[in-house]
Amino acid sequence: QKEVEQNSGPLSVPEGAIASLNCTYSDRVSQSFFWYRQYSGKSPELIMSIYSNGDKEDGRFTAQLNKASQYVSLLIRDSQPSDSATYLCAVFGNTGKLIFGQGTTLQVKP
Amino acid sequence: DGGITQSPKYLFRKEGQNVTLSCEQNLNHDAMYWYRQDPGQGLRLIYYSQIVNDFQKGDIAEGYSVSREKKESFPLTVTSAQKNPTAFYLCASRLDSLSYNEQFFGPGTRLTVL
Repeated sequence: QKEVEQNSGPLSVPEGAIASLNCTYSDRVSQSFFWYRQYSGKSPELIMSIYSNGDKEDGRFTAQLNKASQYVSLLIRDSQPSDSATYLCAVFGNTGKLIFGQGTTLQVKP
Repeated sequence: DGGITQSPKYLFRKEGQNVTLSCEQNLNHDAMYWYRQDPGQGLRLIYYSQIVNDFQKGDIAEGYSVSREKKESFPLTVTSAQKNPTAFYLCASRLDSLSYNEQFFGPGTRLTVL
């Protein structure tokens, strides 16, 4: 079992819809969780951080964390073509390092 | 203007040559990291440093070397022992190794072996 798992996609949604990206992790003692957006040929950009159970909203983005289920998700409301990118889930566990998932490719179709 | 800089943006190397990738940050971050990304793949950790004059191997350190003589600098050398070095190399930093600190990436160096 991979430490951080994401569906590679592609996830295709129409413009204006809600995109839901999911991530599961294996280390129960993980304390902090991050979502990065990576455009093709570019470096990852941090878009959300979440540390406690529940929802955290920032503009069109909502991160959701459920530590009991070892599950973290990212919702993107009113999806735009400019949101088309690969989204990386990262988890900080007891190794003292960020562990990254393989990423989910999101395609927003006009 | 604070941030992480990497140079060069593109680098071409002949087989058998060593090359050094530069990473500099002016964020006053203690921890710095090097990752490798292959097309369609996730990030793999090469080396990391949590403090000046100290560094540890990551998951794929063979064929690479690093130094951390200054807080703001963490250069990566890709040696001729690295069998398949063509990849996108990303440097990252965070304030320290505590869990809640955010990690930021530089713009990357794309290395191609000819």
